[in-house]
Amino acid sequence: QVQLQESGPGLVKPSETLSLTCTVSAGSIRSYYWSWIRQPPGKGLEWIGYMHYTGSTYHNPSLKSRVTISVDTSNNQFSLKLSSVTAADTAMYYCARFIRSGNYYFDYWGQGTLVTVSS
Amino acid sequence: QSALTQPPSASGSPGQSVTISCTGTSSDVGGYNYVSWYQHHPGKAPKLMIYEVNKRPSGVPDRFSGSKSGNTASLTVSGLQAEDEADYYCSSYASNNNYVFGTGTKVTVL
Repeated sequence: QVQLQESGPGLVKPSETLSLTCTVSAGSIRSYYWSWIRQPPGKGLEWIGYMHYTGSTYHNPSLKSRVTISVDTSNNQFSLKLSSVTAADTAMYYCARFIRSGNYYFDYWGQGTLVTVSS
Repeated sequence: QSALTQPPSASGSPGQSVTISCTGTSSDVGGYNYVSWYQHHPGKAPKLMIYEVNKRPSGVPDRFSGSKSGNTASLTVSGLQAEDEADYYCSSYASNNNYVFGTGTKVTVL
């Protein structure tokens, strides 16, 4: 059973860069796309972006200029960096495996990590 | 792109059925058969319930079914059980390699 676990600081200051890592267990990171999704308090889910280990990357247009997703195959991890954060970026951040081969869906998710943007 | 529209809440008694709608546009729901549904119990990882409009992953009870007509997709939960009480989100592939989620529906088992 594939397992995903998010990690990173729970508090980030405004204008700084949010950095999170997702560790993938019981499965190779080489064979799929990997994604980040977030949920602001009291709101719905928002797709941030997804990336294949070969470098193919797609981002939500509303966040595109601030988002960097990268994959570390040696450690079976992938990461999210979101620059110039504001209070609006306060959210629960989830990592997930994205199926993108003739169909499109997220089949495994992490439990999420809460990131608060505040000074 | 804009979020897909779902009703904020839905409810039913144990054993009854509840149907949740998910309305998008011809650029997402209506344009592709790539609608999926997720069950989310607060504090837990979201769980895939339906993919490709009406397909159930292994282990998901057949009480859960999906359908689509035009720009609107639907999730039906038949034979409601207490453990079905959760938030449900639809999602769809959108044009130009984008992806969009629904606004979410809280299902209450009365």
